[in-house]
Parts: sequence; C-alpha cells; structure tokens
Amino acid sequence: EAQLVESGGDLVEPGGSLRLSCAGSGFTFSNAWMNWVRQAPGKGLEWVGRIKSKPNGGTIDYAAPVKGRFTISRDDSKATVYLQMNSLRTDDTAVYYCSTGIQSDYWGQGTLVTVSS
Amino acid sequence: DIVMTQSPDSLAVSLGERATINCKSSQSVLYSSNNKNYLGWYQQKPGQPPKLLIHWASTRESGVPDRFSGSGSGTDFTLTISSLQAEDVAVYYCQQYYSIPITFGQGTRLEIK
Repeated sequence: EAQLVESGGDLVEPGGSLRLSCAGSGFTFSNAWMNWVRQAPGKGLEWVGRIKSKPNGGTIDYAAPVKGRFTISRDDSKATVYLQMNSLRTDDTAVYYCSTGIQSDYWGQGTLVTVSS
Repeated sequence: DIVMTQSPDSLAVSLGERATINCKSSQSVLYSSNNKNYLGWYQQKPGQPPKLLIHWASTRESGVPDRFSGSGSGTDFTLTISSLQAEDVAVYYCQQYYSIPITFGQGTRLEIK
C-alpha cells in the first residue's frame, strides 16, 4: 500500500526559509502527480501546489498565496517531493500534507510548520 | 477560481439515521470530453490526515463502507451516509480538481445527536 512520510517541519521566524520533504513508497513514484496541501490550526484544507509526473510534462502549479515564495520539486530517484518555502509569513503556519494523484488518493500524516517570532 | 460551498457547516444526526452533506461549485466541474465530474469527498477525523472517500463524484474508494455514497453532476453534489455510525464523526470536505487552483469546500462537521 502507498505510504507517504513528510518531514522538515519546524519553528521558523517570519521571513525565514524551510524545506519540507515527502518520501513515497509502495507505488510507482515516478508516475505519480504529487500535491502539497496545508491546514492552519483549526481551519480547513488549502491546496498549496502540485507537480505532475515527468511523463506528463512535470508541470508545476501553485496557489496564489504561495506563488513566488514556494517551490515544489521532485527527485524520482529518491521517490521524494520537496516544498521549498521562502519569505515565510505567520499565516503560513499550518500542518503541511503531501498527497498523491489528481484526486489526492493517499496522504501523509503531515508535518507542522510554525512561523513565529 | 472555482469556489466550493458546502452546506450545512455542521450537522447532528442520530445513530442509524441518514446524513446528507451538500456541495455546490461556482462553475461546472463536469469535463465534457470524458463525462466525468472532477469532484472528490474527503473525511477527516481529529488528529488524522484527510481520507479520500469518493472520487469522480460518485465512485467509492476501495475499502470505504457502502453506506457512503456520492451523487450529483455539474455544479451540485451530495455526500450521503445512509446509516450513521459512531465512527463517522468527522469533518467532511468536497474538493474540485477540474481546474487550477484546486479548491476545497469549507468543511462540514458531522456529530452524533
């Protein structure tokens, strides 16, 4: 069965940077579209961005609030997708999840990012 | 952006009774070339990640109990739990994946009456 494990969450000051990782197993990672979704404390789900598989062009899309600050990349040799977050703001505080596929079939357990001084 | 609006925001249903959650999209999520609605339903229990219950608006994921069903097309969708069980207490979200940005409804909190 597919498994996703996020890591890299931490406490960071406003304006700082952080890189999250999401390691996948139990499925053909290189064929998978991968998403990042976040959830602020006590709030709903917010899509952050998506990277398509290389066979599908590897296109990357972002939500407006993170465009220009966040970068998604993937390393299929390591079955890992990354979320590089720069110029972090307090409203980026959230649990960050990665998920697979166009419909987000599988989800990791999430990693907490806290942006605070 | 496609706005997803769920109703109600919260719902209390007795055990064994039917629960119905609605989701309306601001524009159609039906892709005419394949006649598929790009709409999913997720269940999220406290402290857990979301779990996909239904995709393509009405296709139940493997292992999801058949008391869960999805219906609707175009802009109006419904998630129905035919006979509420205690383990169904959760927040439910609809999501459209028809166009970027992918968007979620605000969530519906389901409780036991």
